[in-house]
Amino acid sequence: EAGVVQSPRYKIIEKKQPVAFWCNPISGHNTLYWYLQNLGQGPELLIRYENEEAVDDSQLPKDRFSAERLKGVDSTLKIQPAELGDSAVYLCASSLTGAETQYFGPGTRLLVL
Amino acid sequence: AQSVTQPDIHITVSEGASLELRCNYSYGATPYLFWYVQSPGQGLQLLLKYFSGDTLVQGIKGFEAEFKRSQSSFNLRKPSVHWSDAAEYFCAVGAQGSGTYKYIFGTGTRLKVLA
Repeated sequence: EAGVVQSPRYKIIEKKQPVAFWCNPISGHNTLYWYLQNLGQGPELLIRYENEEAVDDSQLPKDRFSAERLKGVDSTLKIQPAELGDSAVYLCASSLTGAETQYFGPGTRLLVL
Repeated sequence: AQSVTQPDIHITVSEGASLELRCNYSYGATPYLFWYVQSPGQGLQLLLKYFSGDTLVQGIKGFEAEFKRSQSSFNLRKPSVHWSDAAEYFCAVGAQGSGTYKYIFGTGTRLKVLA
């Protein structure tokens, strides 16, 4: 069974440019998470979806970050415009339900110049 | 508020030596507890988890962890470390709060293995 798939794996952009990350969760997993991981830190939740509904986006900086999960499967996380401080690893995870074990993708490493 | 503490930022052990990584949590009830490992440039891989029952849980790659309610701890152990175990290890707590279920991660412990 395929795990959580993320693309791209690496992205380098200049500040003020837009960027988007894509995530395909494990088949059948209803809950999808986007995390931010800064260097030397643990992951921090940005947003959680139950099917297509964002049930926890309290930590998502909504002035520049947006996310969608239109059909309750794939998800896209967007930053517009990117800032230097956005350089980090963006992790996607999925679980069967919101109270189950989370499985992580390989992450997208973003560098903003 | 729920929190997870991994007091050791870095640990260095020799190959073949035993290993214990510490994790302490703060939560009003019994949480779900997890250990993940992250190799450089990779995502997090689940090593083991505790939901209920036997407080000593076995995981992959020869790791085990023990839940001690009295100490609010969930320390990870391995009797004999291999060079391939060098990575960053994260403890996480799954807890109910504000009407929702969340993972809270510790800041991680980076393990270095000496040949």
